[in-house]
Amino acid sequence: DIVMTQSPDSLAVSLGERATINCKSSQSLLSSSNAKTFLAWYQQKPGQPPKLLIYWASTRESGVPDRFSGSGSGTDFTLTISRLQAEDVAVYYCQQYYRTPLTFGGGTKVEIK
Amino acid sequence: QVQLVQSGAEVKKPGASVKVSCEASGYTFVTYDINWVRQAAGQGLEWMGWMNPNSGNVGYAEKFEARVIMTRDTSMNTAYLELSSLTSEDTAIYYCARRAVPGRRPGNWFDLWGQGTLVTVSS
Repeated sequence: DIVMTQSPDSLAVSLGERATINCKSSQSLLSSSNAKTFLAWYQQKPGQPPKLLIYWASTRESGVPDRFSGSGSGTDFTLTISRLQAEDVAVYYCQQYYRTPLTFGGGTKVEIK
Repeated sequence: QVQLVQSGAEVKKPGASVKVSCEASGYTFVTYDINWVRQAAGQGLEWMGWMNPNSGNVGYAEKFEARVIMTRDTSMNTAYLELSSLTSEDTAIYYCARRAVPGRRPGNWFDLWGQGTLVTVSS
């Protein structure tokens, strides 16, 4: 199975500041067949299901604010919230879909400092 | 409105089975695979498997293969997850989630989630 490791487990950021979440996979998620990276990011608020933010490592889902961005390749990835808003308090998960079983990172909790 | 609506909370005894439903509306049910993901309290997300509502084909995570069944009723636009031989470790919220990409194109991320069904296993 591909192991997804996120860091940090939690972080506190001031409103309007940048939040950076890291995700590392145990093997490369770059497909040689289509040159795409098989990684997605989700946001989960308390009592709600996850919400898709990013797929193909850097493609923002329709309707997601542009302060959310994804980057990285191979085995190392980053989700950046450029200017943290109060409504961004949540747990963020990365997910690989390179192969089954699909696996998620352990999550990163983002709070307001 | 495009949505997945799941059945209500369940309380089961150890050794029992549970069946959770997931009704799709607002889109063509048979076009998109349905996946199931669970989340224990305060924990992360765990993928259980997928089902193609058109063909009924399924694929299960090895961890659950011996005791999970994913089915559907296309006349009711509903997918089902049945999990047997329950233990306390199966206490979790179970989510159905729609694969965003239809057909055989690559990409297995989830763009639509049900609200979740809490399954509690307790004697």
